[in-house]
Amino acid sequence: NAGVMQNPRHLVRRRGQEARLRCSPMKGHSHVYWYRQLPEEGLKFMVYLQKENIIDESGMPKERFSAEFPKEGPSILRIQQVVRGDSAAYFCASSPGTGPYEQYFGPGTRLTVT
Amino acid sequence: KNEVEQSPQNLTAQEGEFITINCSYSVGISALHWLQQHPGGGIVSLFMLSSGKKKHGRLIATINIQEKHSSLHITASHPRDSAVYICAVSALGNTDKLIFGTGTRLQVFP
Repeated sequence: NAGVMQNPRHLVRRRGQEARLRCSPMKGHSHVYWYRQLPEEGLKFMVYLQKENIIDESGMPKERFSAEFPKEGPSILRIQQVVRGDSAAYFCASSPGTGPYEQYFGPGTRLTVT
Repeated sequence: KNEVEQSPQNLTAQEGEFITINCSYSVGISALHWLQQHPGGGIVSLFMLSSGKKKHGRLIATINIQEKHSSLHITASHPRDSAVYICAVSALGNTDKLIFGTGTRLQVFP
């Protein structure tokens, strides 16, 4: 049973470009969470999605960031017009429902903005 | 003040020592999670608990709901236990999103 998959593992973007981060949850999991870890800081919640629904986006920056989890395919975190401050590790986690349930983390995408 | 506080921030130990990491929180919770983040960056869930005590191998997690406090213990520590240990809570009525402590960096020397 494959775990949570994220790609790419490393992403380098120039300032002003767009970054797309993908997350495929564990098989049977329909809930996806995105977390961000800034350099030398702790993890912070960004957004919680179920299939075709954004449930909680209270941790998302108001501009440039968006997330989706379509009926088919992976969840995508999109960052438009990236800035140096967006450089961070972005982790996706999945769970089977509203619980609380244990969350299973992907390996993360390390975004570097040059 | 952070909603989830961990202590100590950094911890060094000799192989074989008994280790305790503490976590205090200030919000109502539905569950508390202990996570491990290795130097490569990957995050593994160690425990999820809402009462009492859980044990897995050399790891033990306890929680006191009244005191809003949890501890993670590692018995007979080993260099491969070197990692960052993160306490996180699922706040009540809050869609299960996790609120994280800042982590405890553990180094175990042979």
